[in-house]
Amino acid sequence: AQSVAQPEDQVNVAEGNPLTVKCTYSVSGNPYLFWYVQYPNRGLQFLLKYITGDNLVKGSYGFEAEFNKSQTSFHLKKPSALVSDSALYFCAVRDRAGANNLFFGTGTRLTVIP
Amino acid sequence: GAGVSQSPSNKVTEKGKDVELRCDPISGHTALYWYRQSLGQGLEFLIYFQGNSAPDKSGLPSDRFSAERTGGSVSTLTIQRTQQEDSAVYLCASSEDRVETYEQYFGPGTRLTVT
Repeated sequence: AQSVAQPEDQVNVAEGNPLTVKCTYSVSGNPYLFWYVQYPNRGLQFLLKYITGDNLVKGSYGFEAEFNKSQTSFHLKKPSALVSDSALYFCAVRDRAGANNLFFGTGTRLTVIP
Repeated sequence: GAGVSQSPSNKVTEKGKDVELRCDPISGHTALYWYRQSLGQGLEFLIYFQGNSAPDKSGLPSDRFSAERTGGSVSTLTIQRTQQEDSAVYLCASSEDRVETYEQYFGPGTRLTVT
């Protein structure tokens, strides 16, 4: 079975501070991992993905995420938060050997405080 | 280029009525997905189409839900005899089904409200 956990429903961070949005996953095989962002009244936008190779993945808008196989985690990070980063963030996983659809976490609402 | 489009953007219907939701994927994308996003929930997979293969219907919550994809492009999600618990945002996504370009591109969604 595949699953994704985002343990924090809400993350607040001051503008200019580093931010982390946590994600852990469970798959039977090796994972493909994704982060998406959803702005109000908008569809989901792709941020970054881990397929293979370097564990540190860089994506759009200065975001990055680190794949940690031993901890089954794929936390999203950014060195300096912007107010415009405030949105709903979803982590998703696909089992390489499993179904083609993505399994999503329940989302973390990030609020960057000016 | 054009992204994934969905129509209508909003739909209000009475309990027991049937509704049809439409998705136009990105041209050339062979894979098409439907998801449902309920308030406070993550995205729930509904159905997946890949080329001419039989669709993966494993996520459909009941036999009131069905979907088709005509000509490998446009898809329609149909909900028969709608119930209040069907109220949600229905999202469509498409992708190229190659590992190196696997990310799914999502449409803006259809907000369905069943009264």
